[in-house]
Amino acid sequence: AQTVTQSQPEMSVQEAETVTLSCTYDTSESDYYLFWYKQPPSRQMILVIRQEAYKQQNATENRFSVNFQKAAKSFSLKISDSQLGDAAMYFCAYRSADGSEKLVFGKGTKLTVNP
Amino acid sequence: DTEVTQTPKHLVMGMTNKKSLKCEQHMGHRAMYWYKQKAKKPPELMFVYSYEKLSINESVPSRFSPECPNSSLLNLHLHALQPEDSALYLCASSQGNWRGRSYEQYFGPGTRLTVT
Repeated sequence: AQTVTQSQPEMSVQEAETVTLSCTYDTSESDYYLFWYKQPPSRQMILVIRQEAYKQQNATENRFSVNFQKAAKSFSLKISDSQLGDAAMYFCAYRSADGSEKLVFGKGTKLTVNP
Repeated sequence: DTEVTQTPKHLVMGMTNKKSLKCEQHMGHRAMYWYKQKAKKPPELMFVYSYEKLSINESVPSRFSPECPNSSLLNLHLHALQPEDSALYLCASSQGNWRGRSYEQYFGPGTRLTVT
């Protein structure tokens, strides 16, 4: 079974600075999908970014980018120019490409943005 | 439009009550999901409907009963719940798996359920 590990329960960053959230996963599969979701306090879970394992190029969405290291099974999220609205719980998630509907989530990292 | 709506936003119910949670999406998605989320924890998958058929039941107690009346609607019927069932219940939808691609899930805002 696949597992996802987020080793940083909490992180903090100063507004306008850059922060990197870590995620590692364990799988024996070669094809899969990885996601970062953001869940602000008492608010909706939002997809931040996705990465297909067969793509070597790291995904980027505006201020959010990933460092995908397939051999190391690492999928970190970098947030540039951090804003107060980035404060949230961030979940890393894995989904097999074998047709499974299941998302395997990490335990989450709580990000605080200091003004 | 990537909106998944859920009603009600909050629900307080006694252990003998029967209530239902509702979820709706109009994105043409073919897969819909129910998750349970406790505070400061990741969502836990409960049920998956794919093309209106129940495809995954994660050994959820029978006091939770899902229903998918059509491709846009998903219900979760609740009966004889326990206080430990108090949680945020999230609905999600996705295009599912198609032509070898696995599509991301879009989440609704959730229903905050309190069982007294």
